[in-house]
Formats: sequence, C-alpha cells, structure tokens
Amino acid sequence: EDQVTQSPEALRLQEGESSSLNCSYTVSGLRGLFWYRQDPGKGPEFLFTLYSAGEEKEKERLKATLTKKESFLHITAPKPEDSATYLCAVHFYGGATNKLIFGTGTLLAVQP
Amino acid sequence: EAGVTQFPSHSVIEKGQTVTLRCDPISGHDNLYWYRRVMGKEIKFLLHFVKESKQDESGMPNNRFLAERTGGTYSTLKVQPAELEDSGVYFCASSQGLNNEQFFGPGTRLTVL
Repeated sequence: EDQVTQSPEALRLQEGESSSLNCSYTVSGLRGLFWYRQDPGKGPEFLFTLYSAGEEKEKERLKATLTKKESFLHITAPKPEDSATYLCAVHFYGGATNKLIFGTGTLLAVQP
Repeated sequence: EAGVTQFPSHSVIEKGQTVTLRCDPISGHDNLYWYRRVMGKEIKFLLHFVKESKQDESGMPNNRFLAERTGGTYSTLKVQPAELEDSGVYFCASSQGLNNEQFFGPGTRLTVL
C-alpha cells in the first residue's frame, strides 16, 4: 500500500536551534515528492519539489533532500516565523491518477 | 497573479441538508483537484479534473458527493444530503501540467451538526 509517514509529529525548537524533519514513503514508482508549509486556518503553501534521489533544493533557512526511501527537510537557525505544520506529499506513477498522497505533517514550534 | 480561491470559508449545516462548495483555480490551470482533511487525519484526495473532464474520482467517498467543472473554469462540490462524517476542511488545488506542483486554496471548513 502506498504510504507516507512523517516524523516527528511535533517538534519544539529554540530560535537558532537547527533540526531536521523526516518523510519516509513506500510507493511504487515515485514521480515527485513535495514539501508544503501550512499555517493555521490556511491552505498548504508550496515549498519544494524533488524528483530524484540525491536531489537537493534550498530556500532561505530550509533545505530539502531526497533519497530512494525518504526525504529530509533541514531547518537551519530557525526563527519564530518558521513555526507551522510542514507537510510532505508524494506523487507517483499509477495509471491515470495524478493525486498527491500526504503525510500527517510535523507541527513545528520555534520559541524566541 | 491571484491564487486559488474558495467559497465559503466556513459552512455550518445540519445533517440532511445540502451544501455547495466553490473553487476558482489559478487562471490558465487546466488541472483542478479536490482534497479533504477530516479531524486528526491526513489530507486525502477526492478527485481530479482536466479542464471539464473528470480524470480520476477514485477518492470520492460515496454518491452523496457530486463535483462539476462546467466550462473548465471554476468547480463546485455538492454534498447532498450531508452526514456528520462529512465534517472537515475541503481544499481545492490547481496545477498547470500533470507533473507540476499543485497550488492550494485556503479551504472551506464544513461542520455538519
């Protein structure tokens, strides 16, 4: 069964304390892996797309990496405004479907 | 450029009533998706339109849900009659191509009492 698992469920960091979020997946034929940020009461906001193992993408304090079985979202020297839920979703080859399969997310709280 | 918009932002209805949600995708995006997040669970796919055609509706829970996209522009999702388990946040997303990132709207929070 195609599945996406994110860990940890929640993470509390002090401002400036770097860490990583994990997204592991079991899908037959990965087409792409997406990271989104979601703030309370809002829709997911697109961050990155990764397509192949070894690929890396960066945006400000965030860096996403991809292996054959998992992806990491590294947060370097986070600030309170980085507090949000981070969602991972996979897009896979499966007939005519173009759906994303989401994990349950990691709730990140960065304290000043 | 305007993003994906959804209306209403919130809807509270009683069991057995009908509700219609609307989504306006980003202009020029042929692909439109509906997703739902129920309390404590992950966001789950409902269906996918390419222009006005339903490409994949494998995630639609049952025949109480009807999605339309007349003219290939905006889309509506009707729930009739609504049940308690239909409560959740309904998200709409759009993308330019099949392999492009999907951009999400703010969602409609549906509460069925």
